[in-house]
This record gives sequence, structure tokens and C-alpha cells, in this order.
Amino acid sequence: AQSVTQLGSHVSVSEGALVLLRCNYSSSVPPYLFWYVQYPNQGLQLLLKYTSAATLVKGINGFEAEFKKSETSFHLTKPSAHMSDAAEYFCAVSGSSGYALNFGKGTSLLVTP
Amino acid sequence: ETGVTQTPRHLVMGMTNKKSLKCEQHLGHNAMYWYKQSAKKPLELMFVYNFKEQTENNSVPSRFSPECPNSSHLFLHLHTLQPEDSALYLCASSQDRGSGRAIGGELFFGEGSRLTVL
Repeated sequence: AQSVTQLGSHVSVSEGALVLLRCNYSSSVPPYLFWYVQYPNQGLQLLLKYTSAATLVKGINGFEAEFKKSETSFHLTKPSAHMSDAAEYFCAVSGSSGYALNFGKGTSLLVTP
Repeated sequence: ETGVTQTPRHLVMGMTNKKSLKCEQHLGHNAMYWYKQSAKKPLELMFVYNFKEQTENNSVPSRFSPECPNSSHLFLHLHTLQPEDSALYLCASSQDRGSGRAIGGELFFGEGSRLTVL
């Protein structure tokens, strides 16, 4: 079965610092991988996705992620954090049914002034 | 209206009530989903509908009853719920290309219906 593990349920960074949110996946087939963001009282919004094209994927709001098969990782990064980046971030992998996604537990990002 | 819309946004109900959550997608997709989001737990897939046919039911209790009358609308009927069913219920849609994987793979989510069971 396809699954993801997000390391760290809470991450705190200073404004302007590097953001690194970790995600490792397990998949018996070539995975499709995703990062979603959820702001308070809202649904999930797609940040970026990997679907077997370029291993370095650029998304919205300055985020990017790199697919590393050897490490089974898909970590999310942003060079400089903004206050507006404070939110819950979810890593997801396409599930065994093909089109449903399996989500990690989420990482809450706090950005301090 | 664009995207995926869910109503109501907030719902409070007693354990003996019957209520329904509604989801409508305006993206021309052919697959729709219900997910449950509880505090401190991963998003749980509840139901998947593809071309209006239910293709997945993740061992969801029968007090949750989905209905998909067409590819644009999805309902979740609620009956005799328990307090532990209080959660954010998220609807999503995608375009299934017929090979078992959504085009681009991504799901498009609504803003959710916050359910409180007293």
C-alpha cells in the first residue's frame, strides 16, 4: 500500500529563514506525490505535485520539492519564510486504488517575527 | 461558482438527528470523494465515486450514507451520529482518465463542512 510519513508535527522558523518540511513515502509502484497546504477554516490547496517528470518540482508561493527515489523522500522547501506561510502542510501519495490520495498526518508550520 | 463548493460550512446536530452534507463541483470532473479530517489524525478517505459509481468504501459505519446522483453532486447523509464523528468533512473531485489514475493526479478540495455532534 502507498503511504507517506511526515517527520515533525510542528515546525517553527523565523521570518526569512529556510523552510524544510520532511516527507518520506512508501510505494510499490512509481508514485505520484503531492504537497497540499491548509489555512485555518479552509480546505486543502495544492502547492505542487510530482508525476514522474522532472525530479525538482516548483510550486506556488515560492515552494519547491525534490523527488529522491534513493531516499524515498519528497521534502518541501522554501528559501525564505513569510508570515503568511503559517499553515498546515500535508504530503500525499496516490493510493492503491489509483486515484484516491493517502495523506500524511500533517506538519503545522509556525513563522515567528 | 467555481471549484468545489460545500454546504453547510458549519453544522451542529444531536445524536438522533438526520442531516445531509452537500458537495458540488464545477470543474467537469468525473470522480468525487469524501474525506474526514479529525484533530491529530491523518485525513481519512471515506468514499470514492467514479462515473457516479461507488468504487471505494473505507469501512465507514452505516450511519454515514453517501449519494452521488450525477458526476457534479455528492451528498453525505448523516443519521444517529456519535460525538466522535465530530470533524471537518472534506469533499474533493478529480478527473479520472480511465486507467485508474487521475489526470495530473491531484484532487481539488472544497472548504469543508465542520460537523459538531452533541
